[in-house]
Amino acid sequence: GAVVSQHPSWVICKSGTSVKIECRSLDFQATTMFWYRQFPKQSLMLMATSNEGSKATYEQGVEKDKFLINHASLTLSTLTVTSAHPEDSSFYICSARSRGPNTGELFFGEGSRLTVL
Amino acid sequence: GEDVEQSLFLSVREGDSSVINCTYTDSSSTYLYWYKQEPGAGLQLLTYIFSNMDMKQDQRLTVLLNKKDKHLSLRIADTQTGDSAIYFCAEAQRNTPLVFGKGTRLSVIA
Repeated sequence: GAVVSQHPSWVICKSGTSVKIECRSLDFQATTMFWYRQFPKQSLMLMATSNEGSKATYEQGVEKDKFLINHASLTLSTLTVTSAHPEDSSFYICSARSRGPNTGELFFGEGSRLTVL
Repeated sequence: GEDVEQSLFLSVREGDSSVINCTYTDSSSTYLYWYKQEPGAGLQLLTYIFSNMDMKQDQRLTVLLNKKDKHLSLRIADTQTGDSAIYFCAEAQRNTPLVFGKGTRLSVIA
């Protein structure tokens, strides 16, 4: 099946630094990628929808200046957590939908666990 | 907005069948999904069903959809200890992001 790769899987950073997480569709083109955040023992919260070549659409309550999303190509989207703080520590998961009007499958990356000290 | 509800916990004995239930509110949902999440890992797509279907079977997994009641279920036959995980139900229309339930934690007792 289709593969979505996230990198890094784990990252620990100091408060105030910025962290970039990459999401790649390895064997298909993804016109749309979604970024989710998951708190411990909770469900996934949609942060933003990323469309190739255009600005991301952020969900209510998600700071777009804090969580910068770039979807530069049909196979890559990046999430940059700027000036990270401990409350940004979380599990971030991306998903990608392949091109084509009839596909319903959404493929998820393995997630990136961010710990901010 | 759309809402997806699941029971939070389910405990079954090894070898028994597990049935995880889910209800959703969006009548225009086109796709309904079941994902599995093991500790510390991302989401693994188990199966999905189109809203114009009422059943889908894939090896040990059977998905039943009652569109009238907006009720989705996942049955795992011959449940094994490796099936212990959190199972998320999700719904979406064709080009919208998924809306997830809170997940059902399945514990399999040996």
